Amino acid sequence: EVQLVESGGGLVQPGRSLKLSCLASGFTFSNYGMNWIRQAPGKGLEWVASISSSSSYIYYADTVKGRFTISRDNAKNTLYLQMTSLRSEDTALYYCARRYGSYGGFDYWGQGVMVTVSS
Amino acid sequence: DIQMTQSPSLLSASVGDRVTLNCKASQNINKNLEWYQQKLGEAPKLLIYYTNNLQTGISSRFSGSGSGTDYTLTISSLQPEDVATYYCYQYNSGNTFGAGTKLELK
Repeated sequence: EVQLVESGGGLVQPGRSLKLSCLASGFTFSNYGMNWIRQAPGKGLEWVASISSSSSYIYYADTVKGRFTISRDNAKNTLYLQMTSLRSEDTALYYCARRYGSYGGFDYWGQGVMVTVSS
Repeated sequence: DIQMTQSPSLLSASVGDRVTLNCKASQNINKNLEWYQQKLGEAPKLLIYYTNNLQTGISSRFSGSGSGTDYTLTISSLQPEDVATYYCYQYNSGNTFGAGTKLELK
């Protein structure tokens, strides 16, 4: 069974940093691109970042570029999101999601981890 | 950046109705469009990929169509478990979700 379990969220002050993790199981992690997608409270979905299976290709939303870093450790089956210079507008539920090839969609999602940026 | 406009933002329909949700891109997205269903308190679920391909395990009452800038998700016969918010997503250029259509029972 495919599982994605996020961790590392919490309450953080503006300007501080936080690192999210997503532990994958039930599939060969190193074969899939992975993404972070977030959802502010009561709002819609926002794609945040993506990383290819071998970390060769990395992309970011303009809203987080230069502040967030996506990475992965295929030996540990773990996806990361390092978030720095956090702002109140980064407050959201952060999902990790597996991408099934270029055209196959985000076929598995974690349950999400909450990040609250507030003083 | 490509903008995705979903309509309507709120849709009320009865059980058994045929329901159509729309998604319009600000430019041609070459069918690189997906549909997701999100029920209250749950993670989103992939319904349709590459415009009209039904994800494994999804009911055949869901279907997708479209081309160019205009795309549609159709539910052939609405069921109570279909109450959810539906999002379209384009990956042709950048990565953009629509704002969603909230589907409720009348």
